[in-house]
Amino acid sequence: SQKIEQNSEALNIQEGKTATLTCNYTNYSPAYLQWYRQDPGRGPVFLLLIRENEKEKRKERLKVTFDTTLKQSLFHITASQPADSATYLCAYRISSNTGKLIFGQGTTLQVKP
Amino acid sequence: DTAVSQTPKYLVTQMGNDKSIKCEQNLGHDTMYWYKQDSKKFLKIMFSYNNKELIINETVPNRFSPKSPDKAHLNLHINSLELGDSAVYFCASSQTTGSNEQFFGPGTRLTVL
Repeated sequence: SQKIEQNSEALNIQEGKTATLTCNYTNYSPAYLQWYRQDPGRGPVFLLLIRENEKEKRKERLKVTFDTTLKQSLFHITASQPADSATYLCAYRISSNTGKLIFGQGTTLQVKP
Repeated sequence: DTAVSQTPKYLVTQMGNDKSIKCEQNLGHDTMYWYKQDSKKFLKIMFSYNNKELIINETVPNRFSPKSPDKAHLNLHINSLELGDSAVYFCASSQTTGSNEQFFGPGTRLTVL
């Protein structure tokens, strides 16, 4: 079955550094990958989408890459801030008829001042 | 100004009881979803409705029954609650089934004692 794997261990980094989160997928070749942010006690919030024909996408301090050969997406936050601390979820849609998303379990990022 | 709202935020109940969670979106979207997030943070789709019509029904016990009275509302009724039903339930919506971005509600934390 389709599967997405993210590093379940928390990522701790110092403020100002670049955070890099990894998303690996198997048994499927998604046309898009999405990244969401989830804060404690809240629902996920959409951040970025990258298409399979885009190698890289940027939005302010965020950068996402998509390597269809490695079946991997990397999510970077440059000049990280304590306010970036949250859980980041990777997802892909397996059907445009139903909108069904498959999510990874998320990686928790902690940015220390 | 709330886009997707859910009630209640917290629900604590005894095993065997029946409970409902309500969801409303004011975004004018056609498609609504119910997700379950377990203690390991995996977010899994349960149901999806498009214009009040059920289009996704994952392998969910039939104790769970969604109802969509109109396309702005999607409620979830759970009969004979079990300990394993304890989780956070998220409602979400998207413009259509083909839309990439899903908008999530704040979640309902269900605890079954």
